Amino acid sequence: EAQVTQNPRYLITVTGKKLTVTCSQNMNHEYMSWYRQDPGLGLRQIYYSMNVEVTDKGDVPEGYKVSRKEKRNFPLILESPSPNQTSLYFCASSSLARDRSYEQYFGPGTRLTVT
Amino acid sequence: KNQVEQSPQSLIILEGKNCTLQCNYTVSPFSNLRWYKQDTGRGPVSLTIMTFSENTKSNGRYTATLDADTKQSSLHITASQLSDSASYICVVSLTGGFKTIFGAGTRLFVKA
Repeated sequence: EAQVTQNPRYLITVTGKKLTVTCSQNMNHEYMSWYRQDPGLGLRQIYYSMNVEVTDKGDVPEGYKVSRKEKRNFPLILESPSPNQTSLYFCASSSLARDRSYEQYFGPGTRLTVT
Repeated sequence: KNQVEQSPQSLIILEGKNCTLQCNYTVSPFSNLRWYKQDTGRGPVSLTIMTFSENTKSNGRYTATLDADTKQSSLHITASQLSDSASYICVVSLTGGFKTIFGAGTRLFVKA
């Protein structure tokens, strides 16, 4: 089954404790992206990657890192989490469709709480 | 500034009724516009995708329209069902398709 998976689905941590949220897709997509979703604000793009070893900042990259060493994986790293990073995080992937529509497939989400 | 604004913020309708959700954007350079449905706590699922040359796109009971001149889009839901209760998100991509701007969404409640 074609899908995007994220782990963990839920995480409660303390300020300053490094964490990684993994994202993996099995559709051989070149493009992957991370978003955070906060009430009333909609999804905001954190980082995206157009291919292996190619990453770029989205709208809210501060406090986050990513890496793309393999095509299928795109982990999100919080080196020193802070309470304002408490949010619902989504990973997404897409390929270049024939109509160049770049339809994105989203993972199930990771709910992160930083205390 | 690249922005996507949706209205209304929330909407309650009776089962079987039609409704229309609005999306205005100021994103440039424009590549494509997508409508997503998001159930609570789950990832968004694509409903329609339109490039600047497309005026309308349908997916079952969902019909999206796009006016690239006025930078407006709408999503029309016909004969609503209880399962249509969700958030509907308008998403605009810049040229190249990799940078995306999301609207805050319209929360739709369908009542029996």
